[in-house]
Amino acid sequence: ETGVTQSPTHLIKTRGQQVTLRCSSQSGHNTVSWYQQALGQGPQFIFQYYREEENGRGNFPPRFSGLQFPNYSSELNVNALELDDSALYLCASSLGTGRANYGYTFGSGTRLTVV
Amino acid sequence: GEDVEQSLFLSVREGDSSVINCTYTDSSSTYLYWYKQEPGAGLQLLTYIFSNMDMKQDQRLTVLLNKKDKHLSLRIADTQTGDSAIYFCAEGRRDDKIIFGKGTRLHILP
Repeated sequence: ETGVTQSPTHLIKTRGQQVTLRCSSQSGHNTVSWYQQALGQGPQFIFQYYREEENGRGNFPPRFSGLQFPNYSSELNVNALELDDSALYLCASSLGTGRANYGYTFGSGTRLTVV
Repeated sequence: GEDVEQSLFLSVREGDSSVINCTYTDSSSTYLYWYKQEPGAGLQLLTYIFSNMDMKQDQRLTVLLNKKDKHLSLRIADTQTGDSAIYFCAEGRRDDKIIFGKGTRLHILP
């Protein structure tokens, strides 16, 4: 059974650029949630995808968007990068939407630095 | 409010018990979780408790839930140097989101 894998592990981008982060969910999981973890903070919920549809969104602007593919892998896209977007981006997968099961399996994250 | 609250730091001597406390916000949350994060790593699910339970024990870990006060605690018995990490309390809300606290950094003293 493979866990959640994220790529790339580290990334440096310039303000105003666009970035795509990728996540492969754990085998058998059909739900992916994305979180942003700024330095010294807890993870903040960005959005969740269930069966290729967005299923809930946190307080993030529309320049944060996502996709889920038929194999349940997912992408997080951020347009018009700002310095405050620098953070660890965590992907978590689960079977179902997180209530009926026992938490998420997290990847190791992508560290994004915007300069 | 919206926040899950927990103290930011805790120092404990090796061999003693560590107790990390948390208050959450949504009385209808169905699951409460404790996650562990080591430096440079993602989050590892340590344990969880269903909202109709008041205690759960799993080896060195004991979770206590006071649903009336919306208070959750994690006790780590016989704390070891490998327990040094950031511990996140989280609530699983009925809208299917899991909301995290800011984390408690556990420091082990020799």
